[in-house]
Amino acid sequence: AQSVTQLDSQVPVFEEAPVELRCNYSSSVSVYLFWYVQYPNQGLQLLLKYLSGSTLVKGINGFEAEFNKSQTSFHLRKPSVHISDTAEYFCAVSGGGSYIPTFGRGTSLIVHP
Amino acid sequence: KAGVTQTPRYLIKTRGQQVTLSCSPISGHRSVSWYQQTPGQGLQFLFEYFSETQRNKGNFPGRFSGRQFSNSRSEMNVSTLELGDSALYLCASSQWTSGDGDTQYFGPGTRLTVL
Repeated sequence: AQSVTQLDSQVPVFEEAPVELRCNYSSSVSVYLFWYVQYPNQGLQLLLKYLSGSTLVKGINGFEAEFNKSQTSFHLRKPSVHISDTAEYFCAVSGGGSYIPTFGRGTSLIVHP
Repeated sequence: KAGVTQTPRYLIKTRGQQVTLSCSPISGHRSVSWYQQTPGQGLQFLFEYFSETQRNKGNFPGRFSGRQFSNSRSEMNVSTLELGDSALYLCASSQWTSGDGDTQYFGPGTRLTVL
């Protein structure tokens, strides 16, 4: 069985500061990893995903994430956040024949002016 | 291409009633999944349909059911509504090309309130 742990339920940060949202996963097989963003009253939108190859994955809106197999982590980073990045962020894992992704509980990113 | 659409966007029902939610996937997408999102439980997988067949099912009671039509549109039904069924119901579609690594594309959701 796969599981995802998002270590922070809420991350407050000031505008233009860097941010890291943490995600750890548990799986006994090769995995595919995803980060989704959910703005208020909307569905989830894919930010980026890791399937194979380079462990540093670049996504939309200036976000990137690094796959670390030894630490079973897939942390999301942005060097300078904007007010408009305020949203809920979800990490998800699939793989090993389980193509239905397992989602973490989400991290609320709150960007203050 | 048009995105995933869900209707209605908002619903208010009373306990004991039943409800049907609709989802139209992105054109060409054959897999449709449904999720329930609540503040307490987060995103929970309900079921997935592919080519009109339920291929995967989450851990929900039989009051939750769904179906998929030949044009890939999907509906989910909740019978005998309970207060705890109040949630955002999200539909997601995928192409089913790489299988495990497929991206799911989500609709805006239907906000169900049970009074």
